[in-house]
Amino acid sequence: QLQLQESGPGLVKPSETLSLTCTVSGGSISNSGYFWGWIRQPPGRGLEWIGSIYYSGITYYNSSFKSRVTLSVDTSKNQFSLQLSSVTAADTAVYYCARQWEQYQLPRHLDYWGQGTLVTASS
Amino acid sequence: DIVMTQSPDSLAVSLGERATINCKSSQSVLFTSNNKNYLAWYQQKPGQPPKLLIYWASTRESGVPDRFSGSGSGTDFTLTISSLQAEDVAVYYCQQYYHTPYVTFGPGTKVDIK
Repeated sequence: QLQLQESGPGLVKPSETLSLTCTVSGGSISNSGYFWGWIRQPPGRGLEWIGSIYYSGITYYNSSFKSRVTLSVDTSKNQFSLQLSSVTAADTAVYYCARQWEQYQLPRHLDYWGQGTLVTASS
Repeated sequence: DIVMTQSPDSLAVSLGERATINCKSSQSVLFTSNNKNYLAWYQQKPGQPPKLLIYWASTRESGVPDRFSGSGSGTDFTLTISSLQAEDVAVYYCQQYYHTPYVTFGPGTKVDIK
């Protein structure tokens, strides 16, 4: 059974960089046919896609984050990571990692999700 | 940008009764080349991550009870829970994945027991 687990600091100071890692177990991140994505959910609100990465390094980002977001993948560790720079209080949210189906080299729906990790941006 | 809307915002249904949730996209999510609607439904219970229920608008994910069904095409879609159970209390989200890479979610519909 595929499992995803987010890890990283739960508190980040404003203007600093949020860094999270998702560790995949029960399957290889290098399997073709899947992207690996990050989604966030501010407290009491809906879901927002941040970006997705393929094992080869192909990345897609939500333009709402402009140049603040960077995704990376480490196939040797079966992990992928999120960095979000210049955080503000508006970035306080539960951050989820998830597996996304790939079709025509684009990310599609999400079938496996991590439990999520709350990151608070506060001094 | 494609915008997803859902109605109602919330609904309360008696146990065993039908619950119907609507989702509308601002642009069609039907890919005519393969005749597939690029629309998924998720269930999120409090304190849990979303769970995939339906994809391709009407294909049930493995292990999802058959009381959950999806229908619709183009821009208008429906998630139906044919006989509401207590464990179905949750927020339900639709998601389009046609206009990728920007997958977008609807705002969610909260389902409660009447």
